[in-house]
Amino acid sequence: EVQLVESGGGLVQPGGSLRLSCAASGFTFSRYWMHWVRQAPGKGLVWVSRINSDGSDTSYADSVKGRFTTSRDNAKNTLYLQMNSLRAGDTAVYYCARAVPTYPAFDIWGQGTMVTVSS
Amino acid sequence: DIQMTQSPSSLSASVGDRVTITCRASQSISSYLNWYQLKPGKAPKLLIYAASSLQSGVPSRFSGSGSGTDFTLTISSLQPEDFATYYCQQTYISWTFGQGTKVEIK
Repeated sequence: EVQLVESGGGLVQPGGSLRLSCAASGFTFSRYWMHWVRQAPGKGLVWVSRINSDGSDTSYADSVKGRFTTSRDNAKNTLYLQMNSLRAGDTAVYYCARAVPTYPAFDIWGQGTMVTVSS
Repeated sequence: DIQMTQSPSSLSASVGDRVTITCRASQSISSYLNWYQLKPGKAPKLLIYAASSLQSGVPSRFSGSGSGTDFTLTISSLQPEDFATYYCQQTYISWTFGQGTKVEIK
């Protein structure tokens, strides 16, 4: 079964750090671009970051640029999101998503992991 | 930045109803428009890509149309499992979602 499973969420104080993981299974992870998308409580979906298939190129939303870093370990079939200098506004469910190779859409998503930034 | 505006933000409908959700882009995005379904605690699901192409495994009661700036998602006969929140997404420049449309039981 094609699957993405996020982990690593939790409660962190403002200014703190957290690393999220997204474990992929059921497909050749190294062939796909991957994305992170978040949803704050009661709000809509917001794109966070993207990484290409070999990890050599990334892009970020302006709201997280310089604070968040996306990486991947293709040998471990795992995507990461390192989040530093966290703010209350980063509180959200974080989803990882697989990009369709032939068209810009996200065809497989995880169930998400909750990050709460609060003192 | 391209802004995506969905309407309505919520709607109440009954099983069997025809439901239409619209999405408007702040500039032309050709057909770079996708639709997703979200249910609490579940992984989001891609329904429609490239404005009108049905994702594999998605029931044919879902359809999409439009190009340029105006797009529509239609559910021809609402089923109990369709009560959810629906998001449009533009992928013409970067990736931007609409604010969502919650479909509730009437």
